[in-house]
Amino acid sequence: DTAVSQTPKYLVTQMGNDKSIKCEQNLGHDTMYWYKQDSKKFLKIMFSYNNKELIINETVPNRFSPKSPDKAHLNLHINSLELGDSAVYFCASSLGPGDGYTFGSGTRLTVV
Amino acid sequence: QKEVEQNSGPLSVPEGAIASLNCTYSDRGSQSFFWYRQYSGKSPELIMSIYSNGDKEDGRFTAQLNKASQYVSLLIRDSQPSDSATYLCALDDYKLSFGAGTTVTVRA
Repeated sequence: DTAVSQTPKYLVTQMGNDKSIKCEQNLGHDTMYWYKQDSKKFLKIMFSYNNKELIINETVPNRFSPKSPDKAHLNLHINSLELGDSAVYFCASSLGPGDGYTFGSGTRLTVV
Repeated sequence: QKEVEQNSGPLSVPEGAIASLNCTYSDRGSQSFFWYRQYSGKSPELIMSIYSNGDKEDGRFTAQLNKASQYVSLLIRDSQPSDSATYLCALDDYKLSFGAGTTVTVRA
């Protein structure tokens, strides 16, 4: 039974389209995150939610909008996709500060 | 200055040798440190956490933390080909901030 699951695993889309990535965790964690890993493999945080409340928004373009319907789910919607949005997006969850994160398997987004 | 700096590598070691990975950080207030392993095309996987000065051992892995010098390191003893991966250092300052990673290749 997967702890943090993301869908879809791969996403290929044209510039200007809108797409969503979904994430669910069954670990009972309170905090969920979205990270972006670029082509140089650098992992950078985008958003964090604690029990459905947004607590971190790291200067991400407002074309990216996270939504957390409950503490087990965190979705990411991206409007007007650009070539530079191509990356691997990871969802993660944790119990809270000082606790290690559990990552989902990632969504490889390719914008053409 | 970047928040977390790793020796960039890549690092190539023969099977059975010790692989040594280093990481320095800029925020003296950081309390929690982690090492993640990421195989190519896979997600990061937590392998070690360390919170206090000194050494912490888990199997073939030893994490070392020195808060006064602001560095954390990871030693992999008896390196195996299955240890070939990118190792990411991270610190928790209300979010996990990652270093750029060090790619390790273990030669059979």
